[in-house]
Amino acid sequence: DAGVTQSPTHLIKTRGQQVTLRCSPISGHKSVSWYQQVLGQGPQFIFQYYEKEERGRGNFPDRFSARQFPNYSSELNVNALLLGDSALYLCASGSGGARETQYFGPGTRLLVL
Amino acid sequence: GNSVTQMEGPVTLSEEAFLTINCTYTATGYPSLFWYVQYPGEGLQLLLKATKADDKGSNKGFEATYRKETTSFHLEKGSVQVSDSAVYFCALTGDNFNKFYFGSGTKLNVKP
Repeated sequence: DAGVTQSPTHLIKTRGQQVTLRCSPISGHKSVSWYQQVLGQGPQFIFQYYEKEERGRGNFPDRFSARQFPNYSSELNVNALLLGDSALYLCASGSGGARETQYFGPGTRLLVL
Repeated sequence: GNSVTQMEGPVTLSEEAFLTINCTYTATGYPSLFWYVQYPGEGLQLLLKATKADDKGSNKGFEATYRKETTSFHLEKGSVQVSDSAVYFCALTGDNFNKFYFGSGTKLNVKP
């Protein structure tokens, strides 16, 4: 079975631009979470979606938004990019149950110049 | 609140040495605990997990025991290989919506 897939793998943007990252969860998983991993740090939670509804949001500004589609894939949008948004963006999928394993994709590496 | 603290790296070992990476946590309720591994340029791979006190997670020679009394989940391996070189993350989840809290990661370098 295919794991979590993300696209694109790499992206270069300039300050002020907007970016959309995409994620397809493992087949059968209904929950998708997004994390930001800045170089040298652990991943930080951005959003979780379950059955197309936002179920949790981390401490990120409103420039960050996301949505989940009927096929459970998801998009993360970031507006008005800042240099500090440069990071690896990880998508994780799971069944949606409490305290259960999340499975991570390879990530999208975003560089903001 | 929930948080995870890991020992700082990098940790440098010779092949076949014994590995310990310390992890302690703060959590409300009864979290599940995880170790993930990240190889250069890749995402996170689940290494092992434990869901209740005194459980031992194990995989590929790595082990970690969920210690509620010391709020710890230390990662151990008896004999490391060069291929184990990576960054290791300790994590917990305990919220209803399964948000994960990660430590800052520990880089392991294994020399032949």
